[in-house]
Amino acid sequence: EVQLVESGGGLVQPGGSLRLYCVVSGFTFSSYWMSWVRQAPGKGLEWVANIKQDGSEKYYVDSVNGRFTISRDNAKNSLYLQMNSLRVEDTAVYYCARYIRFFDSNNYYHPYFDSWGQGTLVTVSS
Amino acid sequence: SYELTQPLSVSVALGQAARITCGGNNIGSKNVHWYQQMPGQAPVLVMYRDTNRPSGIPERFSGSNSGNTATLTISRAQAGDEGDYYCQVWDSSTVVFGGGTKLTVL
Repeated sequence: EVQLVESGGGLVQPGGSLRLYCVVSGFTFSSYWMSWVRQAPGKGLEWVANIKQDGSEKYYVDSVNGRFTISRDNAKNSLYLQMNSLRVEDTAVYYCARYIRFFDSNNYYHPYFDSWGQGTLVTVSS
Repeated sequence: SYELTQPLSVSVALGQAARITCGGNNIGSKNVHWYQQMPGQAPVLVMYRDTNRPSGIPERFSGSNSGNTATLTISRAQAGDEGDYYCQVWDSSTVVFGGGTKLTVL
């Protein structure tokens, strides 16, 4: 059974830092791209960051680029999100998700998230 | 930026078909994926690449995509289908989610 378990959330002041963790099991972690997706209270889903299997490629939504860093340790089946310079608007539940990169017969890209963790709440407030 | 438009809410009588739409400019040219989120729970993929059901998702769930509208259809709706549903596509080098639709089964 595929499992993703996040931790590390909590209350932090604006400008502060926090590191999120996601430990996975039930699949070969090193074979998959991974992502972080967040959901502000009462709001919809927002993709945050992606990382390639070997960590050599990373992508971020513009609003966190330069402040957040996604990383992974394949030996520990673990995904991380280092969040610095946190803002009130970063308050959200952060989900770890397995990212599927599908290319169709015309080589068009249609990615999606096929497994999700239960999420960890990050609250940025003074 | 590309926008996906979903109705805020959809209501359906128990046992009837629920249709949740996702509108976008020429969305029929994209692959649409759908997620179900029960209250207080993580999202679950219920449809991928327009019409494909992941293992474990009931056959009552089906999808279509044409023109400017993609649709997730839940036939014979059950109380356990209540929750929020999100559509998602890829556009301009980023993942785009719809705003979500709250499904209520009456």
